[in-house]
Amino acid sequence: DAGVTQSPTHLIKTRGQQVTLRCSPKSGHDTVSWYQQALGQGPQFIFQYYEEEERQRGNFPDRFSGHQFPNYSSELNVNALLLGDSALYLCASSLVRDRYTDTQYFGPGTRLTVL
Amino acid sequence: QKEVEQDPGPLSVPEGAIVSLNCTYSNSAFQYFMWYRQYSRKGPELLMYTYSSGNKEDGRFTAQVDKSSKYISLFIRDSQPSDSATYLCAGTGGFKTIFGAGTRLFVKA
Repeated sequence: DAGVTQSPTHLIKTRGQQVTLRCSPKSGHDTVSWYQQALGQGPQFIFQYYEEEERQRGNFPDRFSGHQFPNYSSELNVNALLLGDSALYLCASSLVRDRYTDTQYFGPGTRLTVL
Repeated sequence: QKEVEQDPGPLSVPEGAIVSLNCTYSNSAFQYFMWYRQYSRKGPELLMYTYSSGNKEDGRFTAQVDKSSKYISLFIRDSQPSDSATYLCAGTGGFKTIFGAGTRLFVKA
């Protein structure tokens, strides 16, 4: 049973550049959430996707955008990178529920460094 | 005030000790509560997922939720050096899950 996979593992970018991170959910899951985890902090919710649409968004600027594909995989795009965007970006997958997020399983993350 | 508060530690215990990890939360809408374990530079690993108030046990782990006091606990029995990690508590009442900052635990052999 394949778990959540993310690519790439590490990424180094410079300020102002754009980045795309990718996630494949756990087999059988249809909902993908993205989180940003700064060093020494807990994960912060960016947004959640289901049926190729954004269901809910956290307190992140429009520079952060996402997409979900028909096969449930997802991308996170960040434009105009800032130094403060350096973090571990985590993808979590779950089964859809009407009014809440069911058990989430996390991928290993993509570590983004902005210079 | 953060929605989920967690003592960052570090907490250091000898092997075999009972470990108690705690969180408080402020959002009354939370109905589901989770504990994750995260090793350095890895993704969080789900330990416990509980609904509303009460206890849930799984092996050496017991999760407790007291919604009246907005208090979440995780107990680890017979702690092992391999339990050394950061433990994250979280709550959700909708699609958004809110995490605490995590407690670093060291179990000494």
